[in-house]
Amino acid sequence: GEDVEQSLFLSVREGDSSVINCTYTDSSSTYLYWYKQEPGAGLQLLTYIFSNMDMKQDQRLTVLLNKKDKHLSLRIADTQTGDSAIYFCAESPDMRFGAGTRLTVKP
Amino acid sequence: GAVVSQHPSRVICKSGTSVKIECRSLDFQATTMFWYRQFPKKSLMLMATSNEGSKATYEQGVEKDKFLINHASLTLSTLTVTSAHPEDSSFYICSASAGPKDSPLHFGNGTRLTVT
Repeated sequence: GEDVEQSLFLSVREGDSSVINCTYTDSSSTYLYWYKQEPGAGLQLLTYIFSNMDMKQDQRLTVLLNKKDKHLSLRIADTQTGDSAIYFCAESPDMRFGAGTRLTVKP
Repeated sequence: GAVVSQHPSRVICKSGTSVKIECRSLDFQATTMFWYRQFPKKSLMLMATSNEGSKATYEQGVEKDKFLINHASLTLSTLTVTSAHPEDSSFYICSASAGPKDSPLHFGNGTRLTVT
């Protein structure tokens, strides 16, 4: 199986918060990343967190890291229709990617 | 900063022909670039690691003679799909890092290859 796991789908209403979860297995991971992919496009780096941090906030985005449980989450506040995309988590140094979570935002 | 440009964004070719995809780091030098293939509704599959001035490192199951990679300069890597078949139709994405091994990867916008 994959070393990085994500749920495949998430649907929220516009204005709600979205929480996308990711689990990983490599305890030596140094950085963990969140990427966004819009239809037909490449991956856009959204944010990343160093493994010795618990939380990082960047405007509407909040990343939480539970290193003990190897669990990473991305919270998007006030989700907009433009946030609809596939979100990938990845871990370094090997840059293994999860399968991606397709976020659908309904008006 | 850290922009990766990939060209072409879309290409259609006939079976048996070869197609070259370019990946350029526009504002940084990348000693290492990565090539991925993405199947519909699937994650990225790492195909190979492209190293400037040396041979690419291919992942298990990827045919090196079919997917030729050249990394001739610190800002350009190319992937050539040789003797393309319809099953090679896919979305190909490149990435590069502007820093050391742990640095985040910056991705090109991908190339949609359709082989007829």
